[in-house]
Amino acid sequence: GEQVEQRPPHLSVREGDSAVIICTYTDPNSYYFFWYKQEPGAGLQLLMKVFSSTEINEGQGFTVLLNKKDKQLSLNLTAAHPGDSAVYFCAVSAGGSALGRLHFGAGTQLIVIP
Amino acid sequence: GPKVLQIPSHQIIDMGQMVTLNCDPVSNHLYFYWYKQILGQQMEFLVNFYNGKVMEKSKLFKDQFSVERPDGSYFTLKIQPTALEDSAVYFCASRSGRRSDYTFGSGTRLLVI
Repeated sequence: GEQVEQRPPHLSVREGDSAVIICTYTDPNSYYFFWYKQEPGAGLQLLMKVFSSTEINEGQGFTVLLNKKDKQLSLNLTAAHPGDSAVYFCAVSAGGSALGRLHFGAGTQLIVIP
Repeated sequence: GPKVLQIPSHQIIDMGQMVTLNCDPVSNHLYFYWYKQILGQQMEFLVNFYNGKVMEKSKLFKDQFSVERPDGSYFTLKIQPTALEDSAVYFCASRSGRRSDYTFGSGTRLLVI
């Protein structure tokens, strides 16, 4: 079955620096890819969903790159601020799975130091 | 935006007892999910539920687990009897369609002692 590896597990950066989180997956049939943000005591907040190969998507203060050839998904926070401190999860689902079970990475605890 | 509410947020229970975790999904959503996250590990899929039936379950969904959504009320996960290894955070999620985005709840932190 699908295996999703996420690194690093912990990341501390100074305000204004960039932060990069990377996930690799194993199932070549994976089709939908997600980044979620989880703040303490809250549910998962969807940051971005991507499904095209070698796609760069820009959100508010972050960029997501999907490289299907290398089976890699990355999240790059371009200029981190303290409000970005949270746990970030990648998740993957197969397009053929009609009911869309998600396979999650183990999460990255990001701390942004003011 | 619309939210998935999970009740209770924390639960401590003696091993062997029954526990019911409640999820109030987004009102027009049709697909419901439970995920389990043991401390320090990734979230893992337990089960999904649609049209009153379990559609898919993982090997983590033991015989002691059951789900239901009677009369469109709470979507519940029942564990009977509980075991120490059931201690985890359980997340409920719902979505309106097969290609729609998930809405996740904040989780129920279950501690079995």
